[in-house]
Amino acid sequence: DIQMIQSPSSLSTSVGDEVTITCRASQSVVRYINWYQQKSGKAPLLLIYGASNLQGGVPSRFRGSGSGTDFTLTISGLQPEDSGTYFCQQSYTSPFTFGPGTKVEIK
Amino acid sequence: EVQLVESGGGLVQPGGSLRLSCLASGFTFDDYAMHWVRHAPGKGLEWVSGISWNSLTIDYAASVKGRFTISRDNAKNALYLQMNSLRPEDTAFYYCARARQLGLSWFDPWGQGALVTVSS
Repeated sequence: DIQMIQSPSSLSTSVGDEVTITCRASQSVVRYINWYQQKSGKAPLLLIYGASNLQGGVPSRFRGSGSGTDFTLTISGLQPEDSGTYFCQQSYTSPFTFGPGTKVEIK
Repeated sequence: EVQLVESGGGLVQPGGSLRLSCLASGFTFDDYAMHWVRHAPGKGLEWVSGISWNSLTIDYAASVKGRFTISRDNAKNALYLQMNSLRPEDTAFYYCARARQLGLSWFDPWGQGALVTVSS
């Protein structure tokens, strides 16, 4: 199975800051990485698909990049509604594994 | 509006069975593959199973293979997950999610989730 590692596991930041979350796959997944946001008690929401494609309706302050094994989700100009947990997920090969998540707290 | 609504969750004893349903609306159901993903308390997301649009290709996580069965009824716009021989570690919120295909794709949208609790 492909293991997904995310860092950091949590962070506390302020409105307006830029946040970078990294995701590393145990083997190449080309660009088959997706990013989701989950708020407490809610279903995950797709933010980025195919490493860098912004899902419709998602604010442009969210940006994804990377290829191979190393990927990044960047949130520029953090807003209060961006608090939650962010997961990366590889869809390159079954089982379609998720990272353990990065919890983002807004101070 | 694209919508997925799960039902069938509940409390079941270890070794018991439960069947989850996911009713889809707002899109052409048989144009898409469908998946089940679970989220156990205090743990990360875990992909459980996926099924192609025509049910010809089915895949399971090793942790549920042989115990869970995914199926779909395109005439009813419905996805199912039959869960047998349930274990306490199967306790989780179970989400259905839509995907363009089984792999090389993404999950969007997700249902609101159904809570399955396995406990005596």
